[in-house]
Amino acid sequence: KQEVTQIPAALSVPEGENLVLNCSFTDSAIYNLQWFRQDPGKGLTSLLLIQSSQREQTSGRLNASLDKSSGRSTLYIAASQPGDSATYLCAFMNSGGYQKVTFGIGTKLQVIP
Amino acid sequence: EPEVTQTPSHQVTQMGQEVILRCVPISNHLYFYWYRQILGQKVEFLVSFYNNEISEKSEIFDDQFSVERPDGSNFTLKIRSTKLEDSAMYFCASSGRDSPLHFGNGTRLTVT
Repeated sequence: KQEVTQIPAALSVPEGENLVLNCSFTDSAIYNLQWFRQDPGKGLTSLLLIQSSQREQTSGRLNASLDKSSGRSTLYIAASQPGDSATYLCAFMNSGGYQKVTFGIGTKLQVIP
Repeated sequence: EPEVTQTPSHQVTQMGQEVILRCVPISNHLYFYWYRQILGQKVEFLVSFYNNEISEKSEIFDDQFSVERPDGSNFTLKIRSTKLEDSAMYFCASSGRDSPLHFGNGTRLTVT
């Protein structure tokens, strides 16, 4: 059974810091991995999608990497801002594709002004 | 930017009643999903739908649940006889081939 683990569960940092969120998965048959942001009471906003053939993706201050051999992905946030405060979720799609996506429980980030 | 829309945003129902949650996926997407999130817990996969049929479902998606795409735009989740433990946020999502999942804002279902 696929397990997706996210560490840390919660993180509080001062504004301007660079930070790394971690995601690990047990199934090596990965199709893609996606990072989402969830604000309280809201839906999930897609941040970055990494296909199994890729090593990383970048969007603005965000960079996500994928290491299939170790079963890990990281989300790097540069120069954090209070508006980055949210829960960040990673989601694993196995090589069956277009079917079940398994989510981690998320990392709750608070950026303090 | 196109988005997934869900209605209603909040549904309150009594135990044993039927509910239908509605979703309009992004128009050119091919794959449709329902997920749920019980308060404080992980987002859980319920079902995926492709080419007018269920492609995969989880153990949560039992005989009380069904999905339909009644026309070219809507995608619905029906719960036939709601239980207290069905109370959760239900998210619809859609995607194209090799594209990110796009989620709606969810329907908060409260079963009393």
